Amino acid sequence: DVKVTQSSRYLVKRTGEKVFLECVQDMDHENMFWYRQDPGLGLRLIYFSYDVKMKEKGDIPEGYSVSREKKERFSLILESTSTNQTSMYLCASSNSRRRADRGQPQHFGDGTRLSIL
Amino acid sequence: QKEVEQNSGPLSVPEGAIASLNCTYSDRVSQSFFWYRQYSGKSPELIMSIYSNGDKEDGRFTAQLNKASQYVSLLIRDSQPSDSATYLCAVNIESGGGADGLTFGKGTHLIIQP
Repeated sequence: DVKVTQSSRYLVKRTGEKVFLECVQDMDHENMFWYRQDPGLGLRLIYFSYDVKMKEKGDIPEGYSVSREKKERFSLILESTSTNQTSMYLCASSNSRRRADRGQPQHFGDGTRLSIL
Repeated sequence: QKEVEQNSGPLSVPEGAIASLNCTYSDRVSQSFFWYRQYSGKSPELIMSIYSNGDKEDGRFTAQLNKASQYVSLLIRDSQPSDSATYLCAVNIESGGGADGLTFGKGTHLIIQP
């Protein structure tokens, strides 16, 4: 089974703090994704990566950055948190469509519920 | 903007009945379709994948795909209270740089009434 592990389930931080959210997958997947999910807004893509050291902006990248130094690890960085970044953060990974010859499902970690006070 | 549309619900179904969840998508070139189940406070869990027109059955779940009409549906037979959750429809897209991603609907909230 695919295993995507997020470092924290719950996190409480103060406004202005720097936050690192870590995600590790054990299936040798090329693609990794960071989403946030808020009531009524669905899943919104923050950043994604299709290879080591590669990153692409998603729909809502402002206020976030990412790092992918190793294939299995994708980190989300909140440089200076604000209260509007209180949310559920979900990491996902997927196999490459080119390797599998068709679009692949994403597999999600358990999520990190981040509260910014 | 490529879109995936779902009725947000709540969809209320009596226990033991068939629950029918629908999804329409705008991108004609999409080839892969997925259904996820998400319990309150939990992350989405993949329950069905479908790639070809027609029906695909897995236990009590049946996914139906009609590419000409651009819709995909999920049927849950013999609905149980444990099926109460939000169901997300997802459709593949080709993202920049060769990466491939999914466009998600906002989900349908299903309630199975005992």
